[in-house]
Amino acid sequence: GDSVTQMEGPVTLSEEAFLTINCTYTATGYPSLFWYVQYPGEGLQLLLKATKADDKGSNKGFEATYRKETTSFHLEKGSVQVSDSAVYFCARTISSGSARQLTFGSGTQLTVLP
Amino acid sequence: EAGVAQSPRYKIIEKRQSVAFWCNPISGHATLYWYQQILGQGPKLLIQFQNNGVVDDSQLPKDRFSAERLKGVDSTLKIQPAKLEDSAVYLCASTSGTGGSEKLFFGSGTQLSVL
Repeated sequence: GDSVTQMEGPVTLSEEAFLTINCTYTATGYPSLFWYVQYPGEGLQLLLKATKADDKGSNKGFEATYRKETTSFHLEKGSVQVSDSAVYFCARTISSGSARQLTFGSGTQLTVLP
Repeated sequence: EAGVAQSPRYKIIEKRQSVAFWCNPISGHATLYWYQQILGQGPKLLIQFQNNGVVDDSQLPKDRFSAERLKGVDSTLKIQPAKLEDSAVYLCASTSGTGGSEKLFFGSGTQLSVL
């Protein structure tokens, strides 16, 4: 079925390092793609999204580009901060009958050390 | 703007007992979801409501799980009887749209431990 696959963690980086978290999606339909972030003790919150091929989503210094040719939506940030430590989830829209929903990847734990 | 409210925050029960979780979505949000998040995994959809009607419950284990959304606002999710494998965080999310590319707002979840 429709799904997303993201790189396994955990990922540990030093402050100001470059971040890439890989995400690929099954090439069915015309999904919207998302990155959600879960900070410790909090609910998931939307970080960024892209709704069609070649769109770039960006927020808080994070970016991801919807690549149809490689079915990818990799998350990048040029210089991470300690406050970016969280779990990051890639997600795509799926259709189930008349319902439209999100399906999530397994999450990537990021720890940024000072 | 108040967020999605869930209670209780934590629950510990023994297997074969019953448990219920409550969710109050953001005011005016027509679509409500319940997700199950097992430790180390991404959220897995259990059920989707549009107002007070079920849109999709194909992944809900109906022999033990039930959910309702009376009056199209608050929702409850019940497990009876609970199994060890039900230990997880149960997340409620809502959106003003019909569940396409709109932003989902998540509650902080209820962490269930089944002993």
